[in-house]
Amino acid sequence: SQTIHQWPATLVQPVGSPLSLECTVEGTSNPNLYWYRQAAGRGLQLLFYSVGIGQISSEVPQNLSASRPQDRQFILSSKKLLLSDSGFYLCAWKPNTGNTEAFFGQGTRLTVV
Amino acid sequence: QKEVEQDPGPLSVPEGAIVSLNCTYSNSAFQYFMWYRQYSRKGPELLMYTYSSGNKEDGRFTAQVDKSSKYISLFIRDSQPSDSATYLCAMSDAGGFKTIFGAGTRLFVKA
Repeated sequence: SQTIHQWPATLVQPVGSPLSLECTVEGTSNPNLYWYRQAAGRGLQLLFYSVGIGQISSEVPQNLSASRPQDRQFILSSKKLLLSDSGFYLCAWKPNTGNTEAFFGQGTRLTVV
Repeated sequence: QKEVEQDPGPLSVPEGAIVSLNCTYSNSAFQYFMWYRQYSRKGPELLMYTYSSGNKEDGRFTAQVDKSSKYISLFIRDSQPSDSATYLCAMSDAGGFKTIFGAGTRLFVKA
């Protein structure tokens, strides 16, 4: 069966510090991978998606970036965090074979102080 | 205008009540409609998945899609305190690559 791992679960970082959140998927090959951010009352905002190694598409211009160094690994990064980067970050995957549900990780709650 | 509109609530109901959750959308290309349940500090999990217009029932949950009105609903019968969570509607077009989510409705079911 497929599983998705996302870490860390919580993170408190000072303004201006770097960020690296990691997500890995097990039990499937060539998944579509997604990073979402969830703010209170605003639902899930799609930040980045990837259809393959090294292929990243950005949905929202910001100081965040994403990378996919391996087939089942998706990383969200920032060189310098802003207060507005605080939120709940979710990684998700979908099979690349058609329209099916997205499977979510347990999320990372990031607080920038 | 947002592509998907969902009242964030909160919605508070007594145990045993019928709950109605709704979303409206503007993109007529949406073909697939989903409802996710999210408990506090957890990732969302899929509850219901429907294609195009119509009804789908699964136990105490019924999903309705009215594409002519661009309106979807989730009904929960005999609501339980364990149903207390945030419910997010979601939808995607025929390609299904990107899923757009509503803001989520917080539901509290009181014992």
